Amino acid sequence: NAGVTQTPKFRVLKTGQSMTLLCAQDMNHEYMYWYRQDPGMGLRLIHYSVGEGTTAKGEVPDGYNVSRLKKQNFLLGLESAAPSQTSVYFCASRQLRGPGGWGYTFGSGTRLTVV
Amino acid sequence: TQLLEQSPQFLSIQEGENLTVYCNSSSVFSSLQWYRQEPGEGPVLLVTVVTGGEVKKLKRLTFQFGDARKDSSLHITAAQPGDTGLYLCAGAGETSGSRLTFGEGTQLTVNP
Repeated sequence: NAGVTQTPKFRVLKTGQSMTLLCAQDMNHEYMYWYRQDPGMGLRLIHYSVGEGTTAKGEVPDGYNVSRLKKQNFLLGLESAAPSQTSVYFCASRQLRGPGGWGYTFGSGTRLTVV
Repeated sequence: TQLLEQSPQFLSIQEGENLTVYCNSSSVFSSLQWYRQEPGEGPVLLVTVVTGGEVKKLKRLTFQFGDARKDSSLHITAAQPGDTGLYLCAGAGETSGSRLTFGEGTQLTVNP
């Protein structure tokens, strides 16, 4: 059981380039999320999805787009990368509420540097 | 916007000492979670508390949810070097549904 898998793990982009980060989960979770983690700012929500074919904006959505064409995959796109998007990106998923509450399962992150 | 403030931001202690990390907000949360994150990895869920006043124990870790569901604490007894990591609290708002708001984290270092 792989859980949540993020690819790539590392990437260096030049300003203006585009890229897509892939998140795949094999737990049949309904909800999926993209966060970015920056020093001193914690984890901030970029976009999220409550089911296949749905997406919604989070706290810091500008400069990013997402798609959830299949339940198990959640893609994060940067159309024109900027140095301010240098960060560590985490994908997470969760199931519907179960006994004892619920929690996120995180991937191991993608470290993106924009130069 | 719901904010969660964690204190302290950094904590360096000797093996065997006790410590408490605090997570405070002016907002009410329907549930609150604690995660631990190690370098190069994603956060891993430790516990979820959902009832005001609830106390949960996980070996040497004790988690408490405030009576008003606005704050939480994590107490570690007899800390060990393996407890070293970034501890994050996260709250689910009463109106934000499935989204979590994260605190900035407490970086704990336990020295042998």
